[in-house]
Amino acid sequence: RKEVEQDPGPFNVPEGATVAFNCTYSNSASQSFFWYRQDCRKEPKLLMSVYSSGNEDGRFTAQLNRASQYISLLIRDSKLSDSATYLCVVNARGFKTIFGAGTRLFVKA
Amino acid sequence: ETGVTQTPRHLVMGMTNKKSLKCEQHLGHNAMYWYKQSAKKPLELMFVYSLEERVENNSVPSRFSPECPNSSHLFLHLHTLQPEDSALYLCASSQARGGEKLFFGSGTQLSVL
Repeated sequence: RKEVEQDPGPFNVPEGATVAFNCTYSNSASQSFFWYRQDCRKEPKLLMSVYSSGNEDGRFTAQLNRASQYISLLIRDSKLSDSATYLCVVNARGFKTIFGAGTRLFVKA
Repeated sequence: ETGVTQTPRHLVMGMTNKKSLKCEQHLGHNAMYWYKQSAKKPLELMFVYSLEERVENNSVPSRFSPECPNSSHLFLHLHTLQPEDSALYLCASSQARGGEKLFFGSGTQLSVL
């Protein structure tokens, strides 16, 4: 079983749509959780951290379910500029930060 | 402008060459990482240095040799690579507490012929 699993997509949505991604992780002792965004041929960039109580940053909402070991990202009112690959990232212990393979999103006019 | 700078951006080398990748961070962090990203695969953690001491070494072949002379600089020395080593090599830094956010450089796109 992969340590971090994501649906690769692609998700094709129109502008203004709401889209949600899920991610599961295998290590129940994991402590830190993040969503990163990676544009084509670019480096990953931190989108947001994920907290147990859930957190929101503008149009983006992240949730963590420790019991089921999954993380979600919700994007409201999608913009063309949201087109990218979204990486689910889990820190299992110490400096061992594990990346999922990513979910591709295409937002179309 | 990124706080993590990698050079070169692109590198083409033969299997018998020796080359080095360089990474420099200007964020005051004390942990630095090397990741490998192959096409359609997730980022693979290769090495981590915290306070200039190697703390993670993920079964990477010995043809990859890291060096961390100080908390701001990280190198990856390459020799006798194989074509399957062609990939994007990403350097990242973070605070030296583990579990912290990573800040990445732009990467070195490596092609081994």
